[in-house]
Amino acid sequence: ETGVTQSPTHLIKTRGQQVTLRCSSQSGHNTVSWYQQALGQGPQFIFQYYREEENGRGNFPPRFSGLQFPNYSSELNVNALELDDSALYLCASSLGSGAGSSNEKLFFGSGTQLSVL
Amino acid sequence: AQRVTQPEKLLSVFKGAPVELKCNYSYSGSPELFWYVQYSRQRLQLLLRHISRESIKGFTADLNKGETSFHLKKPFAQEEDSAMYYCALSGWGNDMRFGAGTRLTVKP
Repeated sequence: ETGVTQSPTHLIKTRGQQVTLRCSSQSGHNTVSWYQQALGQGPQFIFQYYREEENGRGNFPPRFSGLQFPNYSSELNVNALELDDSALYLCASSLGSGAGSSNEKLFFGSGTQLSVL
Repeated sequence: AQRVTQPEKLLSVFKGAPVELKCNYSYSGSPELFWYVQYSRQRLQLLLRHISRESIKGFTADLNKGETSFHLKKPFAQEEDSAMYYCALSGWGNDMRFGAGTRLTVKP
């Protein structure tokens, strides 16, 4: 068991709404990354947080934002939801160093399935 | 730009047969490459990474910089190897770039 937990497991929202997804990292992991996985695709990197600071960002608009807290928990917030935001959202934690490239092993949660109607 | 390509969405082999899951990448620097696996009803987990030069569950993967490939191989497939396999690349910028995945089915 990896120890990374995500909530909720499923969520249904309507277009234009806002959503907050939550993740509890494995104890001692100071790096958390969020991924979006559309049906039939691999996970796509949204952003990474290291010691409560954003430490890298993928090709996602500013309406995707995050927070990381000292207790190893984190949030992904998405504003102004669009139909294409429907996907599985994965959280992954790692020991991390905050450096540029990383060969750290990622520990994934089970994900939150978001449906936007 | 960083890119990972897994040309086969589906791969089916018989138990005991060799299996090779293909992965090609595009990256201008020295990448870190990984294989992640997702078994049925389980979460995504690391299978192996090239820097460790390890063999996990009989799987190996060799980084070929000339061909920009990191194919995953196993000489004798087992039914429990049936899963979704993702090749991933970590370059500069802290992001892990995943391929679209290959679903491996090992038939009895």
